[in-house]
Amino acid sequence: AQSVTQLDSHVSVSEGTPVLLRCNYSSSYSPSLFWYVQHPNKGLQLLLKYTSAATLVKGINGFEAEFKKSETSFHLTKPSAHMSDAAEYFCVVSGTPSGYSTLTFGKGTMLLVSP
Amino acid sequence: GAVVSQHPSRVICKSGTSVKIECRSLDFQATTMFWYRQFPKKSLMLMATSNEGSKATYEQGVEKDKFLINHASLTLSTLTVTSAHPEDSSFYICSAPTKREGQFPYNEQFFGPGTRLTVL
Repeated sequence: AQSVTQLDSHVSVSEGTPVLLRCNYSSSYSPSLFWYVQHPNKGLQLLLKYTSAATLVKGINGFEAEFKKSETSFHLTKPSAHMSDAAEYFCVVSGTPSGYSTLTFGKGTMLLVSP
Repeated sequence: GAVVSQHPSRVICKSGTSVKIECRSLDFQATTMFWYRQFPKKSLMLMATSNEGSKATYEQGVEKDKFLINHASLTLSTLTVTSAHPEDSSFYICSAPTKREGQFPYNEQFFGPGTRLTVL
């Protein structure tokens, strides 16, 4: 069994300030973890992924996330927010011993960026 | 990268009619595809797993007679919402996984752009 908890439903930042979106997970197996972004009325776009390689993962648009097994966390960060970053962000976990596995989505965090 | 398309992107229909949504993997084969439903301002909920050449596997609480899934080929899965009602209005998203080989193999899911269904 696996689950994802996104600790904040909304995060508000000012343009140019750092972004932190928090995610905790649980999984019976070594998980793969993803962050997706969804802009209004748009499909999901993969920001970055962790798949048992380096624990610090760099993604697109300046985002990065660090996998911390001891804390079961996979928080998403960006040093400086841009107005175009305003969107819904989903933390996702996937993991089974073999074969294709289904994804479990967090409830999402809405990032609001003010000028 | 792999591309998944959905058609139509938006559909409006009358209550009681049936609507078919297509999900295609454009540059890779997918023996498995997934169908999700997303309510406004909510997360994605897995509805069913579509398996090429066999019956779909539905998640608990999803009516299989209401949401018919056909995975006729390695690149196409269809979701038919039968006798649609206003409560079926939602954003439907499909995804298809492909295996990424290498030192740390993993399964990466590629998502379609979604289909907005509005039932009047």
